[in-house]
Parts: sequence; C-alpha cells; structure tokens
Amino acid sequence: GAGVSQTPSNKVTEKGKYVELRCDPISGHTALYWYRQSLGQGPEFLIYFQGTGAADDSGLPNDRFFAVRPEGSVSTLKIQRTERGDSAVYLCASSPGTGVEQYFGPGTRLTVT
Amino acid sequence: AQSVTQLGSHVSVSEGALVLLRCNYSSSVPPYLFWYVQYPNQGLQLLLKYTTGATLVKGINGFEAEFKKSETSFHLTKPSAHMSDAAEYFCAVSASYNNNDMRFGAGTRLTVKP
Repeated sequence: GAGVSQTPSNKVTEKGKYVELRCDPISGHTALYWYRQSLGQGPEFLIYFQGTGAADDSGLPNDRFFAVRPEGSVSTLKIQRTERGDSAVYLCASSPGTGVEQYFGPGTRLTVT
Repeated sequence: AQSVTQLGSHVSVSEGALVLLRCNYSSSVPPYLFWYVQYPNQGLQLLLKYTTGATLVKGINGFEAEFKKSETSFHLTKPSAHMSDAAEYFCAVSASYNNNDMRFGAGTRLTVKP
C-alpha cells in the first residue's frame, strides 16, 4: 500500500520567498506530524495534528511557519519570508492514532539561497 | 523535558562483527524509547520500541535493545553486521503514551566494511 508521500522532493527558493510543502499521509491515519531535520541533526518536532486541528504547535520556531490540514488528510506546511537558516529536510509522519507507530515520508529538502 | 544523547556520530564495523550503537536518555517520567533507521533518500523506519514490560526488546532485521533504567540507557545491538545495515540510526524518547512529544538524538551513521 501507499506510504506517506511528500512533494516536492526538493525545493530551492530565494531568501524572502514563500514556500509550501505538502504531505499526503497514509489513508485513514488521523494523526499527522511535521519535523525538521537539519544537517547532522535528528528530526526536530514542529507540529502535530489530530484530525483537522493542530493539537500541538509548540515546535514551530516562529510566526513565519504555519501548517494546515483542512480536511483531516493532506497537510501543507507554509513558510513565509524564508531565511537561509530554514534550509533543512522537512519530514512528515502519520499514524492511525496516538500511542502507535509513526510512519515517515521521504522528506522535502528545502534550500534557501 | 526529555532528551536523548547518542554517543558517537559515526560507527564503523566489519561485516559479521557486533554492532553497538549507544543511546542515553533523560526523562522525568518513565520513558517510551525508540530506535529508527534511515536509509539514504528514504523516510525513517521504526526498528523497535520500548513501552513497558520486558526490558530486552527485539526488533526487525535482527536488532535488539535493552532498557536499563539504572544507567538511563537504551543501546542498540546486532550480533553480526550485514552490508545492508549501513544507514543512519536515531534514538528517540517520548514522555507520554501518545508519543506526540517524541525527541530524537542527533543520529549515528553506521558504516559496514566488507
């Protein structure tokens, strides 16, 4: 069956531009997570959705970052006024509920020039 | 808040040798502990997890890990390395059953020499 998919796989943008990163979770998974993985580091939690609502957005670094999941399935991570420090791999994961395994997508590599 | 330290950013072993990847955690409550593997250009895959009960946990691909509360450790081992084990390995800790607060270590890159 299909796993978690993320598009695009690579994104290069100029400093100051706006970007959107998309995550398609496994069908039927109610929980969705976004992480950021900088070079040489482990994944860093950004935000967690249960259904359509953001249950925990404490990991978003600042108000330039925003994520939505309007229909409880696909999620979009939005970054405004990108900075070079935003360059990283952005990972999405989904799970059928809380307390169970998270299934990770391959990530989107964002490069801000 | 909970945290994880992985000792050794790079580990190199010969094929057939013992694999030992070290992980120490910090948590103010009984932790839930995980090991994930990441192959190039792929997402993280769960190897094994400790929740409660038996402290020796067996996972996929012949890996196992032992939860040692007294040492606050959760080291990953495999008796005999295969070339296909070469990857990045991440230890993670969660303080809650719902695992919505998972925190990852910086990772250990395992190289397997022929």
